[in-house]
Amino acid sequence: AQTVTQSQPEMSVQEAETVTLSCTYDTSESDYYLFWYKQPPSRQMILVIRQEAYKQQNATENRFSVNFQKAAKSFSLKISDSQLGDAAMYFCAYRSAAGTYKYIFGTGTRLKVLA
Amino acid sequence: GAVVSQHPSWVICKSGTSVKIECRSLDFQATTMFWYRQFPKQSLMLMATSNEGSKATYEQGVEKDKFLINHASLTLSTLTVTSAHPEDSSFYICSAMGTESSPLHFGNGTRLTVT
Repeated sequence: AQTVTQSQPEMSVQEAETVTLSCTYDTSESDYYLFWYKQPPSRQMILVIRQEAYKQQNATENRFSVNFQKAAKSFSLKISDSQLGDAAMYFCAYRSAAGTYKYIFGTGTRLKVLA
Repeated sequence: GAVVSQHPSWVICKSGTSVKIECRSLDFQATTMFWYRQFPKQSLMLMATSNEGSKATYEQGVEKDKFLINHASLTLSTLTVTSAHPEDSSFYICSAMGTESSPLHFGNGTRLTVT
């Protein structure tokens, strides 16, 4: 069975600085998707970025980028120029490319942004 | 972007009554919908996977007679909590997926309080 591990329960970053959130996963599958979702205090889950496993190039969305290391089964999220609005819970998620399409979520990392 | 509407946002009910939560995909057809439960400061726990026109698939440990899921159309899934008890109080989140390659889009959640 697939698992997703986020080893950092909480992280802090100074406004305008850069922070990296870690995520590792375990799977025997070769084709899958990885995601980072953000959950602010409103509790609305918001997609931050996604990565297809077959793509070697790391995904980037404005200030958000990932470091996808398939062999190491690592999928970290880098937030550049951190803003107060980035403060939230961040969940890493895995989804098979076939089958039931169930998402497996990590336990989350709470990000605090310090002014 | 894809929008998922979940209603109600919050509900208070008395023990022993039933509560229905609706999840609608507003601008896309959702072949698959998922229902999650989230306890405070915890990750999302998948309750069931719902496919249009077929019976929901429940995760281990989730009582299907208590949490009735209906996915009657490609844009609507409902979760009914039957004979609610205080321990059913939680935050329930629905999500919907369109095509196989599309990401998961979430509703804004329902906070259920059973008194």
